[in-house]
Amino acid sequence: NAGVTQTPKFRILKIGQSMTLQCAQDMNHNYMYWYRQDPGMGLKLIYYSVGAGITDKGEVPNGYNVSRSTTEDFPLRLELAAPSQTSVYFCASSHAGQGTSNQPQHFGDGTRLSIL
Amino acid sequence: AQSVTQLDSHVSVSEGTPVLLRCNYSSSYSPSLFWYVQHPNKGLQLLLKYTSAATLVKGINGFEAEFKKSETSFHLTKPSAHMSDAAEYFCVVTAYNQGGKLIFGQGTELSVKP
Repeated sequence: NAGVTQTPKFRILKIGQSMTLQCAQDMNHNYMYWYRQDPGMGLKLIYYSVGAGITDKGEVPNGYNVSRSTTEDFPLRLELAAPSQTSVYFCASSHAGQGTSNQPQHFGDGTRLSIL
Repeated sequence: AQSVTQLDSHVSVSEGTPVLLRCNYSSSYSPSLFWYVQHPNKGLQLLLKYTSAATLVKGINGFEAEFKKSETSFHLTKPSAHMSDAAEYFCVVTAYNQGGKLIFGQGTELSVKP
């Protein structure tokens, strides 16, 4: 029972490089989310998806892109890495969202990204 | 709009003593509230949730929380701390009608001394 799997666990990028953070869930959840966590802060929502082919912006979407071609996968792309994007990134999924706000989110273990 | 405020950024207790982590919420609607725990280098794990059923909610690992509407609070407690409870704890409210989006408190770091 893998739950939410994120890869890679750690990555160092140079300014201006691009990369994709991978997220996969095996619980057949329709809702998926990407968060970033900065030191001493709670999580901030970057993007979310309510199902395959549907994505929407969260609080802090600038500098990121997402796609949702399948129910299982929700990759997050950084096109031009900047030092301000140094953070820990968490992917999460839940069974349902709107109208069923009591469903908890299941989180991956995170990707620790440093941009130098 | 919904929001949560965790009143302590850091709490330190001795092993075997009670734990109290404080959370106040603001919501125009009947809220769904959660407590999550994050151990070092790990993702967040759900401890418990309140969804307008019983006001006293029991969670995993001996934790519980009481929803008090009159005080707009949802404090997390445990009768006896264990060393393994040392972690970061987040109080969370669901944004109403916004695709299940979560609004996080700033977190409370719990230290447990032997």
